[in-house]
Amino acid sequence: DSGVTQTPKHLITATGQRVTLRCSPRSGDLSVYWYQQSLDQGLQFLIQYYNGEERAKGNILERFSAQQFPDLHSELNLSSLELGDSALYFCASSRGLAGYEQYFGPGTRLTVT
Amino acid sequence: DAKTTQPTSMDCAEGRAANLPCNHSTISGNEYVYWYRQIHSQGPQYIIHGLKNNETNEMASLIITEDRKSSTLILPHATLRDTAVYYCIVLTGNQFYFGTGTSLTVIP
Repeated sequence: DSGVTQTPKHLITATGQRVTLRCSPRSGDLSVYWYQQSLDQGLQFLIQYYNGEERAKGNILERFSAQQFPDLHSELNLSSLELGDSALYFCASSRGLAGYEQYFGPGTRLTVT
Repeated sequence: DAKTTQPTSMDCAEGRAANLPCNHSTISGNEYVYWYRQIHSQGPQYIIHGLKNNETNEMASLIITEDRKSSTLILPHATLRDTAVYYCIVLTGNQFYFGTGTSLTVIP
């Protein structure tokens, strides 16, 4: 158990819909990262937040957005969903801004039908 | 971005040492090498990281060559539970770029 929690575990929705994935970091961790893992792809970095502020952006689509709240939990919002958005979405957290090991949650499996 | 190259797959006999190589020839002087593994579809698990010197923890050892262009992760006594995809990552800025990793199968 990494100490990072993600909800829900599974999510099934239709194309065009919007969903929100939630992540609670390990106690004391200030950074939260979001990753997407499709069936044929490796882990793709999406975005990082540190202490409430966006700090790095990876391959995140404009239809996706995220935020980190004052209690440090984070949400990833996915809108206008397409079939290709079906994937595992992982959240990770780390103590600081950079150079620290990241601890990953169990992931949310999103299926778009 | 510093890129890493790893073999696609490897087998290892249970109880033997598993040596997983990684090339990172474009690594910069202040970039760390990290190793993670992912068992089936679980969240990746941190194993070890290093900059210049060899490192050891309860899970594994990391050997980094003197020129830092390659490294080897060593699992000293592989068990069936070590079957996983192992990722070698060079931390660039504050972003991890996961490649395709090495799929390690531990054979009974």
